[in-house]
Amino acid sequence: AQTVTQSQPEMSVQEAETVTLSCTYDTSESNYYLFWYKQPPSRQMILVIRQEAYKQQNATENRFSVNFQKAAKSFSLKISDSQLGDTAMYFCAFMKPGTGANNLFFGTGTRLTVIP
Amino acid sequence: NAGVTQTPKFQVLKTGQSMTLQCAQDMNHNSMYWYRQDPGMGLRLIYYSASEGTTDKGEVPNGYNVSRLNKREFSLRLESAAPSQTSVYFCASSVGWTVAWYGYTFGSGTRLTVV
Repeated sequence: AQTVTQSQPEMSVQEAETVTLSCTYDTSESNYYLFWYKQPPSRQMILVIRQEAYKQQNATENRFSVNFQKAAKSFSLKISDSQLGDTAMYFCAFMKPGTGANNLFFGTGTRLTVIP
Repeated sequence: NAGVTQTPKFQVLKTGQSMTLQCAQDMNHNSMYWYRQDPGMGLRLIYYSASEGTTDKGEVPNGYNVSRLNKREFSLRLESAAPSQTSVYFCASSVGWTVAWYGYTFGSGTRLTVV
């Protein structure tokens, strides 16, 4: 079974600063997908960024970028120029390809607080 | 706005009562899912429906049943609620079964308390 580990239960960052959230995973697969989801106080889960393991280039979406280290099985999320609206729970998730969506595994989350 | 709609948003049940959580999506997605979220445990898959007319068990199906009523709607039923089922429940959908890597669209959740 795949496991996803987020070792930082809580983090905080000053507004406009940069913060990095950590995620590691365990798999024997060579091809897979990784995700970061954001859950604000409204509770709705929102897809932030996605990375395909076969792509060496790190994914970026505006102020959000990842540092994907395949050999180390690490997938960290960097948030630049943090904004108050970034305050949320962040979940890392792993999916095996081709076997269907029942193989999406979530980490336990990191609660990020952006301080004004 | 297009998306996944869950009802109700909050519910308190007494042990042994039954209820159905409703979920509907208007994005013409083929696959739908029910997750539960417990503190310190992330999201865990209860049941899923790869396509209209099919359902299957996920990681934690005990105590639940589901119905894929049509392409839009996927309901979750608790036949005899137990305190261990106190949780936040999320419905989600994706374009398709084998292309779920596009990402999911989630509803806003139902906070269920069983006393």
